[in-house]
Amino acid sequence: KNQVEQSPQSLIILEGKNCTLQCNYTVSPFSNLRWYKQDTGRGPVSLTIMTFSENTKSNGRYTATLDADTKQSSLHITASQLSDSASYICVVSASQAGTALIFGKGTTLSVSS
Amino acid sequence: NAGVTQTPKFQVLKTGQSMTLQCAQDMNHNSMYWYRQDPGMGLRLIYYSASEGTTDKGEVPNGYNVSRLNKREFSLRLESAAPSQTSVYFCASSEGVGTGVYEQYFGPGTRLTVT
Repeated sequence: KNQVEQSPQSLIILEGKNCTLQCNYTVSPFSNLRWYKQDTGRGPVSLTIMTFSENTKSNGRYTATLDADTKQSSLHITASQLSDSASYICVVSASQAGTALIFGKGTTLSVSS
Repeated sequence: NAGVTQTPKFQVLKTGQSMTLQCAQDMNHNSMYWYRQDPGMGLRLIYYSASEGTTDKGEVPNGYNVSRLNKREFSLRLESAAPSQTSVYFCASSEGVGTGVYEQYFGPGTRLTVT
């Protein structure tokens, strides 16, 4: 069964600190992996999309890594800001016809001052 | 550009009532989607439209119908609302659908409560 598991479920960090969120997936065949940021009461917004051949991709203070062999991804946030408080969702796309995005449940990050 | 817009933002229905959720995009995208998001669960696809004139079922289509009115608009209808349909509904759009890397853009959501 195609699944995306994220850890931790929630995380609290101090402003200015770094953190890393984890994503493990059992999706086959694999097409690409996405990280979304969802602010409370808003729709998800894309941070990065990585294909099989990409190991690392950055978007400002966000850096995503992908290990397609172990089926793991991480999202590293550098020098966190209060505005980083949100849910971060890992999404894996399967290589098949139609739409096949498998969403993780998300990690809720709270950045405090 | 407004991106993806949804109406209404909030709605309360009684069991058995019907309603239509509206979605529009101004990015000239071919594909549009309806998802629901429930506490403790990932987003789940209800229906999608790969292109104007086509619609297909997603993971959780029971109790819903959709209409791709034109390239811009994709509506979701609940014919007889049930408490199990209490959720946050998101519309999304993308240039295409399938095995390509098509980024999906999401609307702000409609928060629906069925009592």
